[in-house]
Amino acid sequence: GAGVSQTPSNKVTEKGKYVELRCDPISGHTALYWYRQSLGQGPEFLIYFQGTGAADDSGLPNDRFFAVRPEGSVSTLKIQRTERGDSAVYLCASSLTPITGTNGYTFGSGTRLTVV
Amino acid sequence: DAKTTQPTSMDCAEGRAANLPCNHSTISGNEYVYWYRQIHSQGPQYIIHGLKNNETNEMASLIITEDRKSSTLILPHATLRDTAVYYCIVRVNSGNTPLVFGKGTRLSVIA
Repeated sequence: GAGVSQTPSNKVTEKGKYVELRCDPISGHTALYWYRQSLGQGPEFLIYFQGTGAADDSGLPNDRFFAVRPEGSVSTLKIQRTERGDSAVYLCASSLTPITGTNGYTFGSGTRLTVV
Repeated sequence: DAKTTQPTSMDCAEGRAANLPCNHSTISGNEYVYWYRQIHSQGPQYIIHGLKNNETNEMASLIITEDRKSSTLILPHATLRDTAVYYCIVRVNSGNTPLVFGKGTRLSVIA
């Protein structure tokens, strides 16, 4: 597609449930990033994939969060035993690698997760 | 990454130039200054970046001081559609180092 696609756009789940958030990056972009954004804050880095492997997962808050990118394209962010504090907009971005300038990252519109 | 400091909010009259400041006094020699903006309910959008020379593109101009400790993003003729949160980020321009966002400046363009 022309841009980064994230599905669903909105997700409401009950506390304790498991959720999966999907990101379709721009075709040919080998780098993929997940961010989380709480109300009134800037996006917070979670994890970065280079191809199929997680190159940096230092931003994942705890072991309830993990992400996969099995074929080096689509990525899924998985949250186990959701808590109300997980409520946020989850943003995905992709980029060509290496970044040599120009427009760097392209972000999707995000998935708004609400844990009730 | 070096930290940046931006005002929390600014107003600008429609049609006037919007000048958004950013302080990055601890910037390293190999770190670039990036600007992104985020319009309500959308993901951040790249605007411009630079190392030490002033830069201009179809969206904005970036003025970086000679000592590189601060910069200003200039939207020459602000429109209502420029209302957004603007993020100033410093980052090494190699590999895929993740962007680290602060809270940014909320720019309100007023008719």
